Amino acid sequence: GNSVTQMEGPVTLSEEAFLTINCTYTATGYPSLFWYVQYPGEGLQLLLKATKADDKGSNKGFEATYRKETTSFHLEKGSVQVSDSAVYFCALSDHTGTASKLTFGTGTRLQVTL
Amino acid sequence: KAGVTQTPRYLIKTRGQQVTLSCSPISGHRSVSWYQQTPGQGLQFLFEYFSETQRNKGNFPGRFSGRQFSNSRSEMNVSTLELGDSALYLCASSNTGGLNEQFFGPGTRLTVL
Repeated sequence: GNSVTQMEGPVTLSEEAFLTINCTYTATGYPSLFWYVQYPGEGLQLLLKATKADDKGSNKGFEATYRKETTSFHLEKGSVQVSDSAVYFCALSDHTGTASKLTFGTGTRLQVTL
Repeated sequence: KAGVTQTPRYLIKTRGQQVTLSCSPISGHRSVSWYQQTPGQGLQFLFEYFSETQRNKGNFPGRFSGRQFSNSRSEMNVSTLELGDSALYLCASSNTGGLNEQFFGPGTRLTVL
């Protein structure tokens, strides 16, 4: 079946540091890939997405590129802020006809300090 | 545009009881999906409803059920609650499912004592 593996956390960075959170996936067919962010006490918010190989999703300074050859979708940001502290989930969308479900990684907690 | 709303936000039940959670999708959205989030298992897909029909289902026991109404609002029910059902239950809506973005609600925190 489909699965998503992302790096263990927590990741602790100083403000303005470079961020990489690794994500690899196993899937049949051609899934869409997503990064979601969860702030404390809240639901999930879509951060960015990519629907086909070599697509780059970007939002709020975060970027991730859909790499089919390495089955990866690593999240990067050049300069993190304290406000980026949250849990980040990598996910893929499995399409069966018109139905879909998201398969999530375990989440990576990011803590950014001053 | 109002977001996805879930009620109640917090719930405490005892083992053996049943519970019903409610989700109101974004206006115009016809697909509603439910997910369970626990520290041990992470985020797991429960089921998806579209136009009052369940069209995708995860690997959960039959104690977990759901339905969708003609106004796209959805409910999920868990019968004979077990301690392991304690979790954050998240609802997500999208226009048609498939490739469309899923918008998540804040979740219902269920505690089973």
